[in-house]
Amino acid sequence: AQTVTQSQPEMSVQEAETVTLSCTYDTSESDYYLFWYKQPPSRQMILVIRQEAYKQQNATENRFSVNFQKAAKSFSLKISDSQLGDAAMYFCALQGGSEKLVFGKGTKLTVNP
Amino acid sequence: DTGVSQDPRHKITKRGQNVTFRCDPISEHNRLYWYRQTLGQGPEFLTYFQNEAQLEKSRLLSDRFSAERPKGSFSTLEIQRTEQGDSAMYLCASSSYAGTGDYTDTQYFGPGTRLTVL
Repeated sequence: AQTVTQSQPEMSVQEAETVTLSCTYDTSESDYYLFWYKQPPSRQMILVIRQEAYKQQNATENRFSVNFQKAAKSFSLKISDSQLGDAAMYFCALQGGSEKLVFGKGTKLTVNP
Repeated sequence: DTGVSQDPRHKITKRGQNVTFRCDPISEHNRLYWYRQTLGQGPEFLTYFQNEAQLEKSRLLSDRFSAERPKGSFSTLEIQRTEQGDSAMYLCASSSYAGTGDYTDTQYFGPGTRLTVL
């Protein structure tokens, strides 16, 4: 069975500062994909960033970057220059061996002005 | 290009009633997924379609649940004899699979249907 664990139920950050959200996963698949999704309050889930497991290079999307440690099965998300609009639930998800996404329980990020 | 849409956005029903939700995927997306999200949890996979074929179902999808995608476009999810434990957000997602055998498709989510069973 595949599992995704997000050990931080809540995190907070000051506007313009940097925050890192943690995610660990477990899978027996050799080929898989990892994702971070953002779910703002009462709004739909949107993709933040994705990482292919076979790629060594960490994915980056503007202020969002990941630290992918394959051996440790760790996939953390770093948000730089945090903005008020970054406040949301963040979900880490794994896709491998199947089309379904397996999600963690989420981390609620609060951005303080 | 419109996103994934779901209807209704909210549904309140009494225990024992049947409910049906609709999902319209992004046009030309050939894959469509259903997930369920309960309070404080991440989404859990229910089922997915490639075109009109239902290719995978979760054990969460009991006999009271049925999903269809008759023409490979929109999909419906029906819950019969609803129970209070069915109260949740039901999310639909779609993706475009190129058929290369590589998992390169990203799933795009709709706003969800929030079901409350009284």
